[in-house]
Amino acid sequence: EAGVAQSPRYKIIEKRQSVAFWCNPISGHATLYWYQQILGQGPKLLIQFQNNGVVDDSQLPKDRFSAERLKGVDSTLKIQPAKLEDSAVYLCASRRQPSSYEQYFGPGTRLTVT
Amino acid sequence: ELKVEQNPLFLSMQEGKNYTIYCNYSTTSDRLYWYRQDPGKSLESLFVLLSNGAVKQEGRLMASLDTKARLSTLHITAAVHDLSATYFCAVLMNYGGATNKLIFGTGTLLAVQP
Repeated sequence: EAGVAQSPRYKIIEKRQSVAFWCNPISGHATLYWYQQILGQGPKLLIQFQNNGVVDDSQLPKDRFSAERLKGVDSTLKIQPAKLEDSAVYLCASRRQPSSYEQYFGPGTRLTVT
Repeated sequence: ELKVEQNPLFLSMQEGKNYTIYCNYSTTSDRLYWYRQDPGKSLESLFVLLSNGAVKQEGRLMASLDTKARLSTLHITAAVHDLSATYFCAVLMNYGGATNKLIFGTGTLLAVQP
């Protein structure tokens, strides 16, 4: 079974530029999460999707961050415009269903904002 | 809001020694996870603990859960260099329906010295 795929793996942009990340969850996994992991900290949930609907985006800075999962499969996370403090690793994770025990993480996208 | 605290934040230990990482959380939860993260890598699931008194072991690592004390421990037996990594505990918060959220601890950076 293929794991959670993310691209790109690394991205360097200047502040005020835009950037987008892509995630393809494990086939059949209805629940998809985006996390932000700042260096030296644990991951923090940004948004949770159940199929193509948002169930929790309370921690998403909506003035600059947006995310979508149009067909209930892959997802994109966008930052526009980026700030220096957005430098972090963005992790995508998926779960077969909300009650499932395991949450599987992708390799992450390391974003550096200069 | 649930808070998850780990200690120590950094642990330097010699090969062959035993040590314990502690994870305290502030609100009742029925599910606790331990993850391992190598530098530049994603999160690898180690254990899922589902009930009070649960104990799981894999190789030199053993995790336990005391839901009454809101405490989990990760015990390392006879450490080897390959165990060097950052270890995170994470507590699952259920908000009803499909909404659940993993709250991560701050992480413990383990360095095993030869």
